[in-house]
Amino acid sequence: QTVVTQEPSLTVSPGGTVTLTCASSTGAVTSGYYPNWFQQKPGQAPRALIYSTSNKHSWTPARFSGSLLGGKAALTLSGVQPEDEAEYYCLLYYGGAQPYVFGTGTKVTVL
Amino acid sequence: EVQLVESGGGLVQPGGSLRLSCAASGFTFSSYSMNWVRQAPGKGLEWVSYISSSSSTIYYADSVKGRFTISRDNAKNSLYLQMNSLRDEDTAVYYCARDNLQWLGPGVDYWGQGTLVTVSS
Repeated sequence: QTVVTQEPSLTVSPGGTVTLTCASSTGAVTSGYYPNWFQQKPGQAPRALIYSTSNKHSWTPARFSGSLLGGKAALTLSGVQPEDEAEYYCLLYYGGAQPYVFGTGTKVTVL
Repeated sequence: EVQLVESGGGLVQPGGSLRLSCAASGFTFSSYSMNWVRQAPGKGLEWVSYISSSSSTIYYADSVKGRFTISRDNAKNSLYLQMNSLRDEDTAVYYCARDNLQWLGPGVDYWGQGTLVTVSS
C-alpha cells in the first residue's frame, strides 16, 4: 500500500513564505511522478494549482510555485494572503493499475 | 466554461446500490479521460477510478474493485459510477474530475462540486 505523506499543518504570517512537501513511501519523488497540487477550502471542491511538478494552470496565482526538494515534491506559497488559508493536497502518479495516490493533506493557517 | 455536475447521491443501506452520474459541458468530453475521487467526512481525498476517453482503459482502487463500475457515454457527455455492495466506509462526497490532456502529463484539472453518498442503516 503506497502512502504519500504531507505535513499535517503549517502556520504562516500574512506576506510570509511557506513550503509544503509531499513524500512517497516508495522512495524519492522525481519528475516521473508528475506531482500535482490542489487547494481545498471548507465546503468547496478541490481546485488544481500545479501539474507536472512546476507548471501552473491558467488560473493559478503567481505566488504559488512547485518544485522538487530533497527527494520530495514541494509547493511554495510566497507573499501569503489571508485567502490562502486552506487544505492543500498533492497527487502523485505511479502508473499501472492504480495510477494515482493523493497525499494526506496539509492544513495551512494564515495567522 | 468547463462544468462537471454530479448527481445521484443519497442515503442507502449497507449492501445496497447507487448509480452516480456526472454531466460534462464546456469542453470536448470525448477527448478526455475522467476520474472519480471521493472524500469521507473530515478526511482526505481518495482516488477511486479512472476511465480513458474511449473507455478502453479502466482502473479501480483496491478499496472498490469488484464492487464499483465506471463507465461513460460520449454521445451524452456523461460519466457514471455504479456502486454495488455498499459499505459504511463508502460514505463520502464523490467528485467527478477531468484528467489532464495527455501532453500535459498525468493529473487532474477540473472538478465537479461533488455528490454526497451516505451508507447507513
